[in-house]
Amino acid sequence: GEDVEQSLFLSVREGDSSVINCTYTDSSSTYLYWYKQEPGAGLQLLTYIFSNMDMKQDQRLTVLLNKKDKHLSLRIADTQTGDSAIYFCAESFTGGGNKLTFGTGTQLKVEL
Amino acid sequence: EAQVTQNPRYLITVTGKKLTVTCSQNMNHEYMSWYRQDPGLGLRQIYYSMNVEVTDKGDVPEGYKVSRKEKRNFPLILESPSPNQTSLYFCASSLIQGANEQFFGPGTRLTVL
Repeated sequence: GEDVEQSLFLSVREGDSSVINCTYTDSSSTYLYWYKQEPGAGLQLLTYIFSNMDMKQDQRLTVLLNKKDKHLSLRIADTQTGDSAIYFCAESFTGGGNKLTFGTGTQLKVEL
Repeated sequence: EAQVTQNPRYLITVTGKKLTVTCSQNMNHEYMSWYRQDPGLGLRQIYYSMNVEVTDKGDVPEGYKVSRKEKRNFPLILESPSPNQTSLYFCASSLIQGANEQFFGPGTRLTVL
């Protein structure tokens, strides 16, 4: 079955790098995603990676995928206070249509 | 502006009083979906629709209904709301093909007393 897990909280200092981790169980994942949810707002897609890729970089964001260990991470370089939010990883999988299975979300707090 | 809109944004109601949460998208997306978000559980899919007149159950469909009479609209109906349906609800839409970037509405916070 599908199960996506994340740690609940992460606290970093402004200017440091943040690394948010996610593990998933469905080996037939096609795409893996990172969404950001700011307070009182909907989810915004940050980036996604196709399951046959190991890494994707997009400005301050780096996504690493270890398919063998079913581990996905999001690194935010030079973390700013505006990055404080809840971050969700999600997967879509072969035969699942457009369905996304979400993790529980990681609350990132950026301190001055 | 490309967007998904939901109404109302906030709703407090009482057990058993039928309600509808509307969702509309202006991106001509085939796929639309409803999720509920609860603390510690992430987002769980309630219902989805692959196109007009095509709907199917997600992971937590009990107590909900949907309809898809037009491509742009996908209302969520609670015929007899109960307190365990108190939650934050999100509508999302996407194209069928490609990387499935889902666009989310701003959310509807529902409280059932």
